[in-house]
Amino acid sequence: QVQLQESGPGLVKPSQTLSLTCTVSGGSISSGGYYWSWIRQHPGKGLEWIGYIYYSGSTYYNPSLKSRVTISVDTSKNQFSLKLSSVTAADTAVYYCARRVVVAATRWFDPWGQGTLVTVSS
Amino acid sequence: SYVLTQPPSVSVAPGKTARITCGGNNIGSKSVHWYQQKPGQAPVLVIYYDSDRPSGIPERFSGSNSGNTATLTISRVEAGDEADYYCQVWDSSSDHPVFGTGTKVTVL
Repeated sequence: QVQLQESGPGLVKPSQTLSLTCTVSGGSISSGGYYWSWIRQHPGKGLEWIGYIYYSGSTYYNPSLKSRVTISVDTSKNQFSLKLSSVTAADTAVYYCARRVVVAATRWFDPWGQGTLVTVSS
Repeated sequence: SYVLTQPPSVSVAPGKTARITCGGNNIGSKSVHWYQQKPGQAPVLVIYYDSDRPSGIPERFSGSNSGNTATLTISRVEAGDEADYYCQVWDSSSDHPVFGTGTKVTVL
C-alpha cells in the first residue's frame, strides 16, 4: 500500500524559505490518476490545504498562499516537494503530504503522511 | 467561499452512538468525506463518498448526507474512537477542497 513520509528542517528563520519533501513508497508517483498534495495544520487548529501537483508537473495552489508557494515533483526519486517563501510565525504548523484521489466530481485525501512540525522562529 | 460548520465537541458514553454533523449550504448535492485525527497523529480517512468505508475501517462508522447536513455516525463507541473528526467536500466552483471546522469527540 502507498505510504508517504515528510522530511525537512523543523526550524526555519523568519523571512527565509521553508522546504519540505514527501517521499512516496509502495507505488509510483508517475502512475497517474492522483494528485499529490500539501496540507498544513496550525497548532490546535483545523486543516488548511496548500496545493497539489500532478506527476506531469501541473500545479494548483491555494489562492491565499499562491504568491509564496512552489510545489515540484521529482519522478525519478518518487518525491514531491514544497517551498514556502518569506515565512513568518504564522506559518508555524504541522505540514502533511497526502495523495488526492479523484472520482467523478469529487476528491478526497488518502493516505496522509505522518506530518512534520515546522516552527518559524529566530 | 463554501463553508462547512461542525459542532466543536461531542461527548458520548462507551457503547452508545455518537453523531457528528457537518453543515453546509445544500451539502446534500456534494460528496462528503470524513477524517479521524487522533492526538499527535495524521488524519485518517474513515468515510468517503458520503457513506463508503475504506478497507480496515470498522462497520461502526457510517455516514449520511442530505439537505444542508451531513452526518458521521459512530455506533457502539469505544475509548479508541476519541479523536477530532473533520468533514471535507470539494468545492467545484473554486476547484479546491473545503474542510470543516472539526469536532472533538470525547468518550466519557
